[in-house]
Amino acid sequence: QKEVEQNSGPLSVPEGAIASLNCTYSDRVSQSFFWYRQYSGKSPELIMSIYSNGDKEDGRFTAQLNKASQYVSLLIRDSQPSDSATYLCAVSTDPGGFKTIFGAGTRLFVKA
Amino acid sequence: SQTIHQWPATLVQPVGSPLSLECTVEGTSNPNLYWYRQAAGRGLQLLFYSVGIGQISSEVPQNLSASRPQDRQFILSSKKLLLSDSGFYLCAWSVRRGFYGYTFGSGTRLTVV
Repeated sequence: QKEVEQNSGPLSVPEGAIASLNCTYSDRVSQSFFWYRQYSGKSPELIMSIYSNGDKEDGRFTAQLNKASQYVSLLIRDSQPSDSATYLCAVSTDPGGFKTIFGAGTRLFVKA
Repeated sequence: SQTIHQWPATLVQPVGSPLSLECTVEGTSNPNLYWYRQAAGRGLQLLFYSVGIGQISSEVPQNLSASRPQDRQFILSSKKLLLSDSGFYLCAWSVRRGFYGYTFGSGTRLTVV
């Protein structure tokens, strides 16, 4: 059973702090990795993608991938109350996105 | 720019009734289309995907079906709903070549009573 594991949280951080969200996956042939943000009652929104080992930065977001250890993480710098949401980790093992597994998500709460 | 429309936003249906959810994509051609379901507190589950008109692949055996009558239209159906069909249904699209993540529609919250 291929799995993507996330701590369900809630992860609570003060405004302005760095929020660190982690995800592990079981399938070693995984090719692409994504982070989605989902506000309560809304649909997921893609915020980061990463395909090779290392860090990828986009604004306040940094995705980190370590294929040897089979984990991917998302760092949110200068966290804002508007970042409060559930963050879903998704892992794809095929180039067409037909074999994508989502984690159950980590709830993040940023305290003002 | 590309947009994806999904309706209705919410639906309350009795057990045994039929279901039809519709999704359309604008601003792109030949998209890959997907139906996902999200149960409370659980990850997204892929139900169906389509790479072209009339081409449907099912990931989970169940009483749901999908159809793609036009390039940018994707329909999820059921002849008789079960209580276990309740959930948040999401349509998504991705580009045909390569995979750079999904763009999701706004979702349909279905409650079967």
